Amino acid sequence: EDKVVQSPLSLVVHEGDTVTLNCSYEVTNFRSLLWYKQEKKAPTFLFMLTSSGIEKKSGRLSSILDKKELFSILNITATQTGDSAIYLCAVLISNFGNEKLTFGTGTRLTIIP
Amino acid sequence: EPEVTQTPSHQVTQMGQEVILRCVPISNHLYFYWYRQILGQKVEFLVSFYNNEISEKSEIFDDQFSVERPDGSNFTLKIRSTKLEDSAMYFCASSETLRGLRFTGELFFGEGSRLTVL
Repeated sequence: EDKVVQSPLSLVVHEGDTVTLNCSYEVTNFRSLLWYKQEKKAPTFLFMLTSSGIEKKSGRLSSILDKKELFSILNITATQTGDSAIYLCAVLISNFGNEKLTFGTGTRLTIIP
Repeated sequence: EPEVTQTPSHQVTQMGQEVILRCVPISNHLYFYWYRQILGQKVEFLVSFYNNEISEKSEIFDDQFSVERPDGSNFTLKIRSTKLEDSAMYFCASSETLRGLRFTGELFFGEGSRLTVL
């Protein structure tokens, strides 16, 4: 069975702190790993990672994938209250051209002003 | 900016009733999905749809569920004889993936339809 595990489940920090969110996976037919931010309803796309060791960056957010150790981290520096959300890790699995995302449970991040 | 739209945003129904959740994917997208999220739990894959047929479905997607593309724009999820445990947020998503080709990573989600079964 495909598994995606995120840690911590919940994290509360003060504005300005740096946070690291973790995602590990055990899946067959791995294609890519994706990070999403879920604020109120719909998850919104952050990053897609396909190759090991190549950091993706977008402003204060960055992410990297380790395909040998089967994990990824999402870093957020200088956190702001607007970063409060659930961060979802998902692994894209491809079976004979059919693709689906398997999600982790998410990390709920709360930023205190 | 193009977006995936879903209706209704919230539906309350009695156990045993049938519900239809509607989605309008982004117009040039070819791959459509339904996911659900039970309150406090993770987002779960239900089904993917390509070229007017189901590409893949999960164990959750049993005979109680069906999907349809009745016209060129709508994509529907029908739940027959709803059960209490069907209460969840149902997300429609679409992507411009072409089967077998490079996935862009941008799976666009709708705002969701919250289903409450009483």
